[in-house]
Amino acid sequence: SAVISQKPSRDICQRGTSLTIQCQVDSQVTMMFWYRQQPGQSLTLIATANQGSEATYESGFVIDKFPISRPNLTFSTLTVSNMSPEDSSIYLCSVGTPGENYGYTFGSGTRLTVV
Amino acid sequence: DQQVKQNSPSLSVQEGRISILNCDYTNSMFDYFLWYKKYPAEGPTFLISISSIKDKNEDGRFTVFLNKSAKHLSLHIVPSQPGDSAVYFCAASETNFGNEKLTFGTGTRLTIIP
Repeated sequence: SAVISQKPSRDICQRGTSLTIQCQVDSQVTMMFWYRQQPGQSLTLIATANQGSEATYESGFVIDKFPISRPNLTFSTLTVSNMSPEDSSIYLCSVGTPGENYGYTFGSGTRLTVV
Repeated sequence: DQQVKQNSPSLSVQEGRISILNCDYTNSMFDYFLWYKKYPAEGPTFLISISSIKDKNEDGRFTVFLNKSAKHLSLHIVPSQPGDSAVYFCAASETNFGNEKLTFGTGTRLTIIP
């Protein structure tokens, strides 16, 4: 399965600022997924990122708030813009491996605290 | 609308005994189910999966059972070990092609008592 390097691992940010999270995959993948885990909650998909096209956002998430870049098949960034304390969460990127007995691999996550 | 549910937020099991974690789903389009284990400050780690054409899949100490008519799956860990203490999430997708989003349950915190 793929190996994902995600950074930063954690950050404390002032409200109103932006943070960009990076994910680097050790192999070429068609789709990358960005999830959010709010405190005490499950993982929720933010958007799906294909190389060379606009990301597809889930209901409740918009591009102006969470712009995503996917410049090539091994790299993606998620920006959390104009942050408020409600954005304090763990953000995770993920890639999938087709076929049974293969799961989706996740990065180690970025723990964001907005003060 | 919580399409994947884990009704037990926590579970404690004696070391060496069987741990059984349960998961229910409502979306009939789900065709592929996965279990993940998550430690604090780490991303989820894939454990085991099952497609809807099967009712059981086994990998070492981990076995997943699927009851499609009841829309229910369970993860059995035998024997339970202290290192199994973590939060376990079940997840579902409509295919196993690797290009579908996962819908996650709310998680069950498993504590193995030495």
